[in-house]
Amino acid sequence: KAGVTQTPRYLIKTRGQQVTLSCSPISGHRSVSWYQQTPGQGLQFLFEYFSETQRNKGNFPGRFSGRQFSNSRSEMNVSTLELGDSALYLCASSQTSVAWEQFFGPGTRLTVL
Amino acid sequence: DAKTTQPNSMESNEEEPVHLPCNHSTISGTDYIHWYRQLPSQGPEYVIHGLTSNVNNRMASLAIAEDRKSSTLILHRATLRDAAVYYCILKGNAGGTSYGKLTFGQGTILTVHP
Repeated sequence: KAGVTQTPRYLIKTRGQQVTLSCSPISGHRSVSWYQQTPGQGLQFLFEYFSETQRNKGNFPGRFSGRQFSNSRSEMNVSTLELGDSALYLCASSQTSVAWEQFFGPGTRLTVL
Repeated sequence: DAKTTQPNSMESNEEEPVHLPCNHSTISGTDYIHWYRQLPSQGPEYVIHGLTSNVNNRMASLAIAEDRKSSTLILHRATLRDAAVYYCILKGNAGGTSYGKLTFGQGTILTVHP
C-alpha cells in the first residue's frame, strides 16, 4: 500500500506571495491532518479534515486554510506569506478522525525569502 | 491539552536497552498515551500507545505507572536506526477538539552509539 505523498517536496517563495501544498493520503483513509514544524515552535497542529469537512483547527491565523476533496486528497493554502512561515509542512492521514495511528508524509519544505 | 515532560536528550549504546521516560501528572482518565518518533529528515511515525496496561509491539514496549502519571517507552535492543526524536503525546478520544490532533512537545533526542 502506498504511503502518504506530499507535493512539492521543496518550495521557495517570496514574502507576500501565496502557496498551495498538496497531500494524498493512504488509500482508504478519510482523515487528513496538517502540521507545521519549525525549529523554534516544534510540531504544531494546523487543522484536520474528514469527508471534506474541517473538523478541528489549531491556533493559526486565517492566512492558513485548507480543503479536502471527495477522493480525500487535501490541499493547504497560505496567503500573504511571511518570513516566519518558512517551515516543514507535514500532513498525516488516518482512517478516521479518532483513529489511534496517524501516518505522516515526508513533508514539504517551504522557504520564504 | 494535558502536558507531558520528557528529558531533552538521552544516549545509548547499540544493542543495549533504552528506557525513555515521560511525565504526565495532569493526565485525564480518558487520555491515551501515544509515542511517536521522528527519524532525521522524515515525518513522525507511530511507535505505540496505551491507556492503563503495559503494551508490547514489534517496535517497543510501553510501561505505564499504576497512577498513570508517568510512562516509559522501552526499546529492548537499540540499533543505529533508532536514533530519532521520541515524542510522548496524550490524546483524548472524546472527539471535538481532539479530532485528528496530536499535540507534540519538544521530545527526547535519542543518540545511539555504535
